[in-house]
Amino acid sequence: DVKVTQSSRYLVKRTGEKVFLECVQDMDHENMFWYRQDPGLGLRLIYFSYDVKMKEKGDIPEGYSVSREKKERFSLILESASTNQTSMYLCASVGWGALVREQYFGPGTRLTVT
Amino acid sequence: AQKITQTQPGMFVQEKEAVTLDCTYDTSDPSYGLFWYKQPSSGEMIFLIYQGSYDQQNATEGRYSLNFQKARKSANLVISASQLGDSAMYFCAMREGSNFGNEKLTFGTGTRLTIIP
Repeated sequence: DVKVTQSSRYLVKRTGEKVFLECVQDMDHENMFWYRQDPGLGLRLIYFSYDVKMKEKGDIPEGYSVSREKKERFSLILESASTNQTSMYLCASVGWGALVREQYFGPGTRLTVT
Repeated sequence: AQKITQTQPGMFVQEKEAVTLDCTYDTSDPSYGLFWYKQPSSGEMIFLIYQGSYDQQNATEGRYSLNFQKARKSANLVISASQLGDSAMYFCAMREGSNFGNEKLTFGTGTRLTIIP
């Protein structure tokens, strides 16, 4: 089974702190994604990566950066956390399912910025 | 324009009844794929079913089926004989382009389904 893990399920940080959210997958997938999920807005793409050291902006990259130094690990960085970044953050990697290439998701990190 | 529209924020359905979750999409790409994911209260996203734009038949997966009406650009999820464990958020998502190359998904806002015993 594909396993995508995220470093924390719940995280509380203060405004202005630098925050690191870690995501690790164990299936040698090349493509990895970071989303944030907010009520009424669904999932919105922040950044994605097709390979090591490669990154591309998604729909809402402002206030975020990413790092992909190793294939299995994709990190989301909040340079200076703000209260409007309080959200659920979901990481995903892409690989072959039974019939189609699927996104496999981690359990999510619920981040609260106070 | 929204690429994926889910017009039902919440639904309540009696156990054992069938339920249809609506999804309409907007794309000018002739090649695309439509996905449905389930998100229980625990938070993990579970892939349910997939429909490709060139697939001739509606996708089915156990109690899940996808009512794909290409001309209307709709891809409704049908759950037959609903169970209490079906209570969850359901998201419709679209990938534009062929299976390879573009792996990005655009998600709808979701429908919260509650099954009543």
